[in-house]
Amino acid sequence: DAGVIQSPRHEVTEMGQEVTLRCKPISGHNSLFWYRQTMMRGLELLIYFNNNVPIDDSGMPEDRFSAKMPNASFSTLKIQPSEPRDSAVYFCASSLAPDSRYEQYFGPGTRLTVT
Amino acid sequence: AQSVTQPDIHITVSEGASLELRCNYSYGATPYLFWYVQSPGQGLQLLLKYFSGDTLVQGIKGFEAEFKRSQSSFNLRKPSVHWSDAAEYFCAVGGYNKLIFGAGTRLAVHP
Repeated sequence: DAGVIQSPRHEVTEMGQEVTLRCKPISGHNSLFWYRQTMMRGLELLIYFNNNVPIDDSGMPEDRFSAKMPNASFSTLKIQPSEPRDSAVYFCASSLAPDSRYEQYFGPGTRLTVT
Repeated sequence: AQSVTQPDIHITVSEGASLELRCNYSYGATPYLFWYVQSPGQGLQLLLKYFSGDTLVQGIKGFEAEFKRSQSSFNLRKPSVHWSDAAEYFCAVGGYNKLIFGAGTRLAVHP
């Protein structure tokens, strides 16, 4: 299995632009998680899905952030409009179930820079 | 409130020396505990986990961790560090679904 796939690996954009991050979970995994990693705040859970349904989005920082999972093999995290403080590494992870006893497999991350 | 504290931001050890990374947690019930490792430019990889039973758990790459309920700790250990162990290490606590991560400890290994 190729593991969790994220694209792009790096994204540089100007303030005010729309940014879309993409994630393909491991086949057969029912749960998908989006995290953000910054020096100041560490690794934070933004939102997670179970069976394509958003279960908990309490970590999404503002209305500028939205996430979708139209099918079991694809998810997007969108920021519109982007701001410099959104610069971070965004990780997608998937697992067999939302139960934290199941290992979460992380993708390589997308490094976002907003200028 | 649930939280994880990793007191050491940076640790430097010599290759072949022993290692202990500290982790303290705050959780209202019996926690699920994890250690992850992140190599530069990579995602996180699970090293080991504790749910119940034997309080000393073995993981990959020669790591082990010991759960001490009385101290609310889950310290990670390795008897002999290799240069390839240089990375950032995250302790995490989880309930039914969410994982809460500590701030991480960056490990440097001197030859």
